[in-house]
Amino acid sequence: QSTLTQPASVSGSPGQSITISCAGAFSAGGSFTLVSWYQQRPGQAPKLILYEGDKRPSGVSDRFSGSKSGNTVSLTISWLQTDDEGDYYCCSSAGVGTYVFGSGTEVTVL
Amino acid sequence: QVQLLQSGPEVRTPGASVKVSCTASGYPFFKYGVSWVRQAPGQGLEWMGWISPFTGNTYYAEKIQGRVTLTTDTAARTVYMHLTSVTSEDTAVYFCAREMQGYGDYDYWGQGSLVIVSS
Repeated sequence: QSTLTQPASVSGSPGQSITISCAGAFSAGGSFTLVSWYQQRPGQAPKLILYEGDKRPSGVSDRFSGSKSGNTVSLTISWLQTDDEGDYYCCSSAGVGTYVFGSGTEVTVL
Repeated sequence: QVQLLQSGPEVRTPGASVKVSCTASGYPFFKYGVSWVRQAPGQGLEWMGWISPFTGNTYYAEKIQGRVTLTTDTAARTVYMHLTSVTSEDTAVYFCAREMQGYGDYDYWGQGSLVIVSS
């Protein structure tokens, strides 16, 4: 079973940039197109913030961006705001038709 | 507007089965696949499976395959997740989610259904 490893927590001050890594994104043979990122606030359903690796759905701030390097994909949040606090999950292909979520990263704005 | 409305909380004893529903509205039902994702208390997201309302084709996570079955009632625009032989480890909030383009990109989510397994 594919495993996506994220840092447990990342923090930053308002206005700073932070990056959340997701290692193992292509271990099951998937591509950047099959990578998505989600934000989840306590007690709420996840919200799609990036799809196809680096595309933003309508209404999502351009402060969120995606990138890849080797077998790792990353989410960068620029100009950090208090509203960005929450848990973030990457999601990638785990084989034909199946997907796996990353371990999740808690973002704290100091 | 697009909505996915899930059934209410369930309590089951170990060894029983549970069926959770997800009723879609506001979009062409056949056009989008639907996945189920669960989240145990204080834990991360776990992808469970996917179904095409158009073809009925399914994919399941290896870990849970054999215990989970996804079905649809197209007339009712509803997707069902049936989980058998439940244990305390199946205690979780279960979400359904619409797949936007077929790339594991879930743009609309249900509100979640809490399933508690306890003796």
